[in-house]
Amino acid sequence: SQTIHQWPATLVQPVGSPLSLECTVEGTSNPNLYWYRQAAGRGLQLLFYSVGIGQISSEVPQNLSASRPQDRQFILSSKKLLLSDSGFYLCAWSVHLQGPYGYTFGSGTRLTVV
Amino acid sequence: KQEVTQIPAALSVPEGENLVLNCSFTDSAIYNLQWFRQDPGKGLTSLLLIQSSQREQTSGRLNASLDKSSGRSTLYIAASQPGDSATYLCAVRSYNTDKLIFGTGTRLQVFP
Repeated sequence: SQTIHQWPATLVQPVGSPLSLECTVEGTSNPNLYWYRQAAGRGLQLLFYSVGIGQISSEVPQNLSASRPQDRQFILSSKKLLLSDSGFYLCAWSVHLQGPYGYTFGSGTRLTVV
Repeated sequence: KQEVTQIPAALSVPEGENLVLNCSFTDSAIYNLQWFRQDPGKGLTSLLLIQSSQREQTSGRLNASLDKSSGRSTLYIAASQPGDSATYLCAVRSYNTDKLIFGTGTRLQVFP
């Protein structure tokens, strides 16, 4: 069966520090991968998605970047965190085909920038 | 641009009531609609996935319906329990963008 792992679960970082959040998927190959952010009191916003190794699409301009160095690994990064980067970050995967397939989410990372 | 709206934003009910949560979307060109549950501080758990060709899906006490032409879905929870307390999110996967677009959720509290 397929599983998705995210770490760390919580993170407190000072403003201006770097960030690296990691997401890995097991039990499938060539998945579509996604990073979402959920800010306090707001809905889920799609940040990045990837359909293959090295292929990253950005949905919104921001202080963050994403990379996919391996087929089942998706990394969210920042060189210098801002206070506004605080939020709950969720990784998700879906079948690598357009069509009637659902999304599966990881357990999330709570990031607090202080 | 696909927009997803959920009503009500919050709901507080006594245990045992039957509940209806509403979701509406503006663009009917969708692959599917998915209902999720989110407990405080946790990730999303998929509850039901309805394909665009289906009208409803059932899982235990949960039943979700889809009326694609009118851009609406409802999640029906029978005989609610305190353990059902959570935020419920609906999301649609659109043809045009193949991305999952979320509503802002309904926060449900079921008290004993």
